Amino acid sequence: DAGVIQSPRHEVTEMGQEVTLRCKPISGHNSLFWYRQTMMRGLELLIYFNNNVPIDDSGMPEDRFSAKMPNASFSTLKIQPSEPRDSAVYFCASIPYAARGNEQFFGPGTRLTVL
Amino acid sequence: ELKVEQNPLFLSMQEGKNYTIYCNYSTTSDRLYWYRQDPGKSLESLFVLLSNGAVKQEGRLMASLDTKARLSTLHITAAVHDLSATYFCAVDRGGSTLGRLYFGRGTQLTVWP
Repeated sequence: DAGVIQSPRHEVTEMGQEVTLRCKPISGHNSLFWYRQTMMRGLELLIYFNNNVPIDDSGMPEDRFSAKMPNASFSTLKIQPSEPRDSAVYFCASIPYAARGNEQFFGPGTRLTVL
Repeated sequence: ELKVEQNPLFLSMQEGKNYTIYCNYSTTSDRLYWYRQDPGKSLESLFVLLSNGAVKQEGRLMASLDTKARLSTLHITAAVHDLSATYFCAVDRGGSTLGRLYFGRGTQLTVWP
């Protein structure tokens, strides 16, 4: 299995631009999680989906952030407009249906730099 | 909200020494995970602990879980440089949020000769 796939791996953009991050979970995994990692705040959960349905988006920083999961094999995290404080590494993770004992498998991350 | 505290946050140790990383959490749970992250890399699952008294070992690392004390430990035996990384514990409190993990801040381990 290819594991969780994220694209792009690196993104450099200017303040005010729209940024779209993409994630393909492991085939057969029903739950998907978006995280943001910074030195200051550590690893933060932004939003997660079960069976393509958003369950908890309380970690989304503000309305500039949105996430979708149109089908079981694809999710996007969009930032519009982007700001320098959004610079971070964004991880996507997936698990099989949230059953006992399933650890999350993380993608390689997208390193976002907003100038 | 469930809080997960790790200590120490930074650990510098000499090769060959032993040390323990502690992970305390604030609410009842019997699902705890340890992850490793190398600099510039993603998180890799190390251990899954699913019951009180669970103990898992892999090489020089051993993890245990005490659900009554709400405590997990990651013990390092005879450290080697290759163990240098950041180690995270994460707790799943189950119930309606089954699958959602609450992460500690991580322990940055540096092993020197």
